[in-house]
Amino acid sequence: KAGVTQTPRYLIKTRGQQVTLSCSPISGHRSVSWYQQTPGQGLQFLFEYFSETQRNKGNFPGRFSGRQFSNSRSEMNVSTLELGDSALYLCASSLALGGAWYTEAFFGQGTRLTVV
Amino acid sequence: EDQVTQSPEALRLQEGESSSLNCSYTVSGLRGLFWYRQDPGKGPEFLFTLYSAGEEKEKERLKATLTKKESFLHITAPKPEDSATYLCAVQTYENNYGQNFVFGPGTRLSVLP
Repeated sequence: KAGVTQTPRYLIKTRGQQVTLSCSPISGHRSVSWYQQTPGQGLQFLFEYFSETQRNKGNFPGRFSGRQFSNSRSEMNVSTLELGDSALYLCASSLALGGAWYTEAFFGQGTRLTVV
Repeated sequence: EDQVTQSPEALRLQEGESSSLNCSYTVSGLRGLFWYRQDPGKGPEFLFTLYSAGEEKEKERLKATLTKKESFLHITAPKPEDSATYLCAVQTYENNYGQNFVFGPGTRLSVLP
């Protein structure tokens, strides 16, 4: 069974640009969450999508946005990049049985974003 | 505000030297506690889920336990391949719907041959 796939693996962008990251969840998983990981702040929750709807959002500025498609694939967009946005961006998928219940999350390898 | 702390920050063990990692949490209402292992440059790998105080789970050399305020990850006779950062995360009742974990900062484990 294929795991969570994130593309691209590495990305270098210039301050002020925008970037789109992609995540393909495990087949059958309907919940996709995004996290930012930095050495100073650790793993921080960005947002979660379930059935194409954003269900939860972390404390990040509006420059961070996402969406989920009907096949559960998800994209994350960061506009007007800042140096501090350099991080490992991780996507996690979950079965999310019955909609309300949670299950363990399985993570992708991440996208390493460097802003210069 | 939900908080998760982990100790120690880093731990060096000799191969075969057993030890425990701690995860302490202050949350409004715990739905589940999760342990992950993360290797450098990779995404976290799921290890265990614990739902209620007194619960224990085992996998090879690892055993996770849960009390009302903390969880322990016991590592018995570790091998060098157990070297990684171990993360714990909590899911709380505050977010009744959805999947968003609060992660601890992690414990960096090094097992020397």
